[in-house]
Amino acid sequence: EAGVAQSPRYKIIEKRQSVAFWCNPISGHATLYWYQQILGQGPKLLIQFQNNGVVDDSQLPKDRFSAERLKGVDSTLKIQPAKLEDSAVYLCASSPGLDSYNEQFFGPGTRLTVL
Amino acid sequence: EDQVTQSPEALRLQEGESSSLNCSYTVSGLRGLFWYRQDPGKGPEFLFTLYSAGEEKEKERLKATLTKKESFLHITAPKPEDSATYLCAVRSGANNLFFGTGTRLTVIP
Repeated sequence: EAGVAQSPRYKIIEKRQSVAFWCNPISGHATLYWYQQILGQGPKLLIQFQNNGVVDDSQLPKDRFSAERLKGVDSTLKIQPAKLEDSAVYLCASSPGLDSYNEQFFGPGTRLTVL
Repeated sequence: EDQVTQSPEALRLQEGESSSLNCSYTVSGLRGLFWYRQDPGKGPEFLFTLYSAGEEKEKERLKATLTKKESFLHITAPKPEDSATYLCAVRSGANNLFFGTGTRLTVIP
């Protein structure tokens, strides 16, 4: 079974530039999560989708971050404009359903460096 | 506000030297405590979920236990391949997972 795919794996940009990350969840998984993991910290949930609807985006900095999950499959997370403090690993995860935390599978992440 | 504190931040063990990692938590209405393993450059990998005080789960050399205020991840006779960061997370109420900062474990051959 293929895992959660993310691209790119690494991205270096300058502050005030824009960047987008892509995630392809495990086939059939209805729930998709985007997490931000700053070096030395645990992952922090940014946004959760159930199919193509947003379930929780309370910790998403909406002035600069946006995310979408068109057709309830792939998802993109965008940052515009980026700040130095956005340097982190952005993890995508998916699970079969809303309460399937035991079955939450993570992708390898995209490491973003903002200079 | 939910709080999760993991200790120690880093732990070095000789191969075969058993030890425990601690995760203390403060949540309103625990709906699950989760342990994950994270290798460098990879996403977290699910290990265990515990739901109520007194519950225990085991997998190979790992055993997780839960009390009303903390959870322990016991590692028996660790091997170098057990080296990783171990993350603890809690879920309370309608909230999603809230992660601790992790314990970085190094097992020396």
